[in-house]
Amino acid sequence: EAGVVQSPRYKIIEKKQPVAFWCNPISGHNTLYWYLQNLGQGPELLIRYENEEAVDDSQLPKDRFSAERLKGVDSTLKIQPAELGDSAVYLCASSPPTGDTEAFFGQGTRLTVV
Amino acid sequence: AQSVTQLGSHVSVSEGALVLLRCNYSSSVPPYLFWYVQYPNQGLQLLLKYTSAATLVKGINGFEAEFKKSETSFHLTKPSAHMSDAAEYFCAVSRGTGRRALTFGSGTRLQVQP
Repeated sequence: EAGVVQSPRYKIIEKKQPVAFWCNPISGHNTLYWYLQNLGQGPELLIRYENEEAVDDSQLPKDRFSAERLKGVDSTLKIQPAELGDSAVYLCASSPPTGDTEAFFGQGTRLTVV
Repeated sequence: AQSVTQLGSHVSVSEGALVLLRCNYSSSVPPYLFWYVQYPNQGLQLLLKYTSAATLVKGINGFEAEFKKSETSFHLTKPSAHMSDAAEYFCAVSRGTGRRALTFGSGTRLQVQP
């Protein structure tokens, strides 16, 4: 079974430019999460989807960040415009519709803003 | 509200020695608790989880953790460290069922000396 797939793995952009990250969750997983992991810290939730509905986006900086999960499968996280402080790893995770709260993580996208 | 405190950002042990990584949690409801491991440039992999069943939980790679409600702790142990155990370890808490998001600690980097 394929795991959570994220792309790109690495991205370097100049500040003020837009950037987008893509996530394909595990097949059949209806819950999808985007986490932000700063260097030397644990992941922090940005947004959680149940199917196509964003049920928890209280930590998403909505002035520059946006996310979508059309059709309740793949998801895209966008930053526009990017700032130097956005340099971090962006992790996507998914959970199945039944069972415990265990989340399965992708390898992440490492963003560097210069 | 929930929170996790991991005592010790860096832990160094000799190969073959006991591994003990400390985690204390705060939760207003009975928690679900998790330990994840992260290797360099990789996503997070679940080691083990506590979901209100047995208080002593066994995970992969010889790790185990014990839930102690009176101490609000969920420390991770392994009897004999291996070089391949060198990684970053994260303790996380969730509010139980419903696939709610995880709140992570800041992580503990484990070094294993030959």
